[in-house]
Amino acid sequence: DAGITQSPRHKVTETGTPVTLRCHQTENHRYMYWYRQDPGHGLRLIHYSYGVKDTDKGEVSDGYSVSRSKTEDFLLTLESATSSQTSVYFCALRRNLRETQYFGPGTRLLVL
Amino acid sequence: DQQVKQNSPSLSVQEGRISILNCDYTNSMFDYFLWYKKYPAEGPTFLISISSIKDKNEDGRFTVFLNKSAKHLSLHIVPSQPGDSAVYFCAARGIPGGTSYGKLTFGQGTILTVHP
Repeated sequence: DAGITQSPRHKVTETGTPVTLRCHQTENHRYMYWYRQDPGHGLRLIHYSYGVKDTDKGEVSDGYSVSRSKTEDFLLTLESATSSQTSVYFCALRRNLRETQYFGPGTRLLVL
Repeated sequence: DQQVKQNSPSLSVQEGRISILNCDYTNSMFDYFLWYKKYPAEGPTFLISISSIKDKNEDGRFTVFLNKSAKHLSLHIVPSQPGDSAVYFCAARGIPGGTSYGKLTFGQGTILTVHP
């Protein structure tokens, strides 16, 4: 347990509405990641952060933005949710690039 | 373009027998390979890893084998237990200096069911 929490754990929203998911850590890990998990695709990287205000895109970043204004919080925003963004979202973190990643419990998002 | 592939969506095994989960990769720009285990409604948890300079790593009931020439790795679980029933993901880590340095690329996952 690397002290990761995600909120909310479940959310139902409507197409076109903005949604923000939060990842919170208590152990000062430098690197934080957002993944989505979909059947047949495994885990795909959306965005990641390598420090406060330092973020970069992953392989499926379209339609998503992130922010990291302090070490402990990494926010994922869907500016205008679409049904294709219905998924389970996982946050992960690590102290350095040689260490394995630790995952949060996930957020299940349903976009109607 | 799926760089890491798990071609078996599911595997069913009897308790006490061996479970073998397979993973193939297409990119040589990986230096570490990992297996994660995921239970329903939980996040993935790290299980075992292997460096690209090795061909075998063992941890209790779990052994990972790496065949670099075939770009193939496998996870062996012996003996299998009902509590091993979960989704297993293989992942590969990008090498230092590459565009994917430190990032993990995951396979699609294999659902393992161990029957009592």
